[in-house]
Amino acid sequence: RKEVEQDPGPFNVPEGATVAFNCTYSNSASQSFFWYRQDCRKEPKLLMSVYSSGNEDGRFTAQLNRASQYISLLIRDSKLSDSATYLCAPSNQAGTALIFGKGTTLSVSS
Amino acid sequence: EAQVTQNPRYLITVTGKKLTVTCSQNMNHEYMSWYRQDPGLGLRQIYYSMNVEVTDKGDVPEGYKVSRKEKRNFPLILESPSPNQTSLYFCASSSGEAHNEQFFGPGTRLTVL
Repeated sequence: RKEVEQDPGPFNVPEGATVAFNCTYSNSASQSFFWYRQDCRKEPKLLMSVYSSGNEDGRFTAQLNRASQYISLLIRDSKLSDSATYLCAPSNQAGTALIFGKGTTLSVSS
Repeated sequence: EAQVTQNPRYLITVTGKKLTVTCSQNMNHEYMSWYRQDPGLGLRQIYYSMNVEVTDKGDVPEGYKVSRKEKRNFPLILESPSPNQTSLYFCASSSGEAHNEQFFGPGTRLTVL
């Protein structure tokens, strides 16, 4: 099993759609979990930290399921500006690295 | 403004010509890391540093060196670059360790001919 797996997409959705991304991770000892957004070969930027209880930031909701070892990201009311690649990143057990998935590409069209 | 800076942003060089990519952060972060990003392979860690004078290998350290003489700087050194080191490189830093959110520099696009 790969360390972090994401559906590469692309997800092509119209404006206003709701879209969900899943990410599975193999290391049950991971302590922290993040979603990053990356635009067209620019630097990854933190979108959200993911907590066990789930957390919401405006149109974005992240959830963590430790038992099943997956993380999800829900985007409601998609905007054109949401078009990007979304990277899932759990930390490794030792706290020495984030282990990045290869990313899921989202394209929102009008 | 809190940020991570990298220089140069773009570099084309030839095989075997030593080069250094600088990375600097102004957030007083203990942890710094270098990643490379390649199509189909995602972001992979090259080296990391938990604090001054403390560095260690990541997943793909071959062909690279680093140093951490000061807290703010973490240069990446390619002693003898080869074409398979053509990549997009990112420096990142975080407070404490990698369990905390990492802030990324703007990236360095390196081409080795």
